[in-house]
Amino acid sequence: EVQLVESGGGLVQPGGSLRLSCAASGFTFSNYWMAWVRQAPGKGLEWVAYIKQDGSEKHYLDSVKGRFTISRDNAKNSLFLQMTSLGAEDTALYYCVRGNWGNYWGQGTLVTVSS
Amino acid sequence: DIQMTQSPSSLSASVGDRVTITCRASQGINNYLAWYQQKPGKVPKLLMYAASTLQSGVPSRFSGSGSGTEFTLTISSLQPEDVATYYCQKYYSAPFTFGPGTKVDIK
Repeated sequence: EVQLVESGGGLVQPGGSLRLSCAASGFTFSNYWMAWVRQAPGKGLEWVAYIKQDGSEKHYLDSVKGRFTISRDNAKNSLFLQMTSLGAEDTALYYCVRGNWGNYWGQGTLVTVSS
Repeated sequence: DIQMTQSPSSLSASVGDRVTITCRASQGINNYLAWYQQKPGKVPKLLMYAASTLQSGVPSRFSGSGSGTEFTLTISSLQPEDVATYYCQKYYSAPFTFGPGTKVDIK
């Protein structure tokens, strides 16, 4: 059974940093592009970042470029999102998603940016 | 960047009605389009990919069509469990933008 389990969310002050993790199981992690998608409270879905199977190619939402870094450890079946210079606009539920089209999603980890 | 729009933003229909949601891309995206259903408080669920390929396990009352810049998601006979927000997403090239969503409820 495919499972994606996010962790690392929490309350952080504006300007702070946070590192999200996603533990993958039930499939060959290294075969898939992986993504982070977020959803602010009461809002729609927003694609954030995307990484190729071997980590050689990465893409970001314009508003997070230079602040967020997506990475992966295929040996540990893990996906990461390092977030810096966080602002209120980054408050959201962050989902780990498998593949070009998201046929598997985690349950999400909540990031709240507030003083 | 290619922008995605959806219409309508919300709709209310009766059980058994045929419902159609439209998604438009500002530039051609071939058929690199997915549709998702998100019920309140739940994780989004993939309904369709490649514009018209039904994801395994999704009821056959859901269908998708289109290519290029205009796409549709059709529910042939609306059921109470279909109350949800529906999103399209392009995956032709980054950024893999979602549409703003269409909220569907029962009249």
